[in-house]
Amino acid sequence: GAVVSQHPSRVICKSGTSVKIECRSLDFQATTMFWYRQFPKQSLMLMATSNEGSKATYEQGVEKDKFLINHASLTLSTLTVTSAHPEDSSFYICSAFSLDTLAPYNEQFFGPGTRLTVL
Amino acid sequence: KNQVEQSPQSLIILEGKNCTLQCNYTVSPFSNLRWYKQDTGRGPVSLTIMTFSENTKSNGRYTATLDADTKQSSLHITASQLSDSASYICVVSRSNDYKLSFGAGTTVTVRA
Repeated sequence: GAVVSQHPSRVICKSGTSVKIECRSLDFQATTMFWYRQFPKQSLMLMATSNEGSKATYEQGVEKDKFLINHASLTLSTLTVTSAHPEDSSFYICSAFSLDTLAPYNEQFFGPGTRLTVL
Repeated sequence: KNQVEQSPQSLIILEGKNCTLQCNYTVSPFSNLRWYKQDTGRGPVSLTIMTFSENTKSNGRYTATLDADTKQSSLHITASQLSDSASYICVVSRSNDYKLSFGAGTTVTVRA
């Protein structure tokens, strides 16, 4: 399957700082990227949907000014956690998706995740 | 209410034994159902994907079934290995917006 990378894999930051997480599709062009957050022993929760060249669509309850998403190209989306607080500590996972109307289904490929710890 | 329910929440099995995980869903309109394996601290990795017309699909020792009429799926692990210890997540995709609905996962622990 296709490869999606995330960088960094782990980050520790002080409260009040901003952290940028990159999501790259390495061998295909992703029309859409999704950002998820996962707390311990819970399933993935969709935060936002990012389409190349347009503004991200955020899920209810997710602050768009706090979680800035930029999808500047078909292979790169970034999530910036602004003014991070300890409650933002979580596992952030992206997925990349390419709409192929000829395919029986459209696969989403997940990145390996980024563990954010805010002190 | 979660539209994808998985059971059991967790299970422990001995190495070499088989196990079956269950998934019920109410997601509509249905596009496809996927089973993912997620190791601790890692992103989910796809095991199987089934569309409406597919009843079963295998990937090595993993076999998934789908009954689209009753909206139920199962994942069978044969001859379990220690490396099968992970969380197994049932995910259903909608056909109108491609968003994924995730089950809470079943944590499988394989012991020697």
